[in-house]
Amino acid sequence: NAGVTQTPKFRILKIGQSMTLQCTQDMNHNYMYWYRQDPGMGLKLIYYSVGAGITDKGEVPNGYNVSRSTTEDFPLRLELAAPSQTSVYFCASSSGQVPYNEQFFGPGTRLTVL
Amino acid sequence: AQTVTQSQPEMSVQEAETVTLSCTYDTSENNYYLFWYKQPPSRQMILVIRQEAYKQQNATENRFSVNFQKAAKSFSLKISDSQLGDTAMYFCAFMKHGATDKLIFGTGTRLQVFP
Repeated sequence: NAGVTQTPKFRILKIGQSMTLQCTQDMNHNYMYWYRQDPGMGLKLIYYSVGAGITDKGEVPNGYNVSRSTTEDFPLRLELAAPSQTSVYFCASSSGQVPYNEQFFGPGTRLTVL
Repeated sequence: AQTVTQSQPEMSVQEAETVTLSCTYDTSENNYYLFWYKQPPSRQMILVIRQEAYKQQNATENRFSVNFQKAAKSFSLKISDSQLGDTAMYFCAFMKHGATDKLIFGTGTRLQVFP
C-alpha cells in the first residue's frame, strides 16, 4: 500500500510555463485534496474532489485547474506559472467516512517559479 | 469563518523533558474536530492526535496528549519524555463536523529537541 504518491518531487518553472502535478492514491478514497504551503505558513486548500467527476474550489484556487476522471488520480494543472505560485504542494485523500474525515498526505512537490 | 492561531513560532526542549504547544481557534460551530499534525524535515505530514469537540475527555496517544478547553477555544499539545525524533514543525488544524473539505491550519510551531 503506497498511500498517496506525488510526482515530481521538485520542479523549477519559468514564468509563463505550464505543468501538471500528479497525485495518485491506492486506498480507494473518494475524497482528494490539493493544498499549498508557503514558507512559514500552514497549508491552504486549493481544490478538492468528493468523487470522480466532481471538483470544487478551496480557499486559493486562482491560477490552478483540476480534474478527477478516476478515483485514484487527481492532477493539479498550473497554467501560466507566476512567482507567486512558488510553494510546496501537497495532495491528500480521505475516505469521507464519519465521524471524522482523516486526511492522508503525500510527500509534497516543491515548485519554484523563476 | 474559522481561524486557527499558533502564537509560538518556535519552541525548544531538552530530551526527556515535557513541552506544551499552544493553539487557539475561533468558530461559531458546536460540532467540530481538532488535529495536531507533525511535519518533520522530510515534509511528510503525519497525524499526531485528534479530538472530537463533543468529547469532554482529552485525547491521548502514547507520549502525546491534549488539553482541550472548549469554552476557551484552546487546544494545546503536550509532548512528554521528548525525543530527538520529535524535532519537527507542528500544525494545529480545525475541521467542521460534516465538512468534506476544509482542514484549516495554523501557521505552525517549530519544535527543536536538544540532547
